[in-house]
Amino acid sequence: GESVGLHLPTLSVQEGDNSIINCAYSNSASDYFIWYKQESGKGPQFIIDIRSNMDKRQGQRVTVLLNKTVKHLSLQIAATQPGDSAVYFCAENRGPGGSYIPTFGRGTSLIVHP
Amino acid sequence: DTAVSQTPKYLVTQMGNDKSIKCEQNLGHDTMYWYKQDSKKFLKIMFSYNNKELIINETVPNRFSPKSPDKAHLNLHINSLELGDSAVYFCASSPGTGPLYEQYFGPGTRLTVT
Repeated sequence: GESVGLHLPTLSVQEGDNSIINCAYSNSASDYFIWYKQESGKGPQFIIDIRSNMDKRQGQRVTVLLNKTVKHLSLQIAATQPGDSAVYFCAENRGPGGSYIPTFGRGTSLIVHP
Repeated sequence: DTAVSQTPKYLVTQMGNDKSIKCEQNLGHDTMYWYKQDSKKFLKIMFSYNNKELIINETVPNRFSPKSPDKAHLNLHINSLELGDSAVYFCASSPGTGPLYEQYFGPGTRLTVT
């Protein structure tokens, strides 16, 4: 499944499928990006980060892709599990004015059906 | 062994009251933050302190006053509470002020103003 984080706030997938969550960031000067996972009733939790000198970074079951040309990030989750159900945020390290202000995207709710 | 803790977890109060939220981190981090998350899950930074010094203040009404007695604590005091202040407030910390650090979030304080 695939979503555009800013336009489709909910992504529903079946357990075992691969999930792709997309994010359009705002500042072309941003040079550090993070994906966070927020489970219900909890604070956001770091998943994976990527610097602007990279276009891909892999973690355990997760991969982040960065396309600076179109200011786009994606988070790929392999073999999605019910425990992956949460809201996912991308964050960049610069705000609209260009200063170092952690700036979060709108978030995408991932629902994993068993 | 909670890394970032906040008290209280829930706060229900009436318009016009003054309230405080406390935050403590035991990670030895230099930088702490306050974020506001609205009902649509939008997460926006309010303040950031580095070693007790205010470094980010994002156009927050002056009814909100952060206070950092030491680098492990960042409290948020809100005067004359308004209905629009109802939200979840998150405290976070990071290892440094630089732009290349992830943040560690507390569990949040749900503030309801009636």
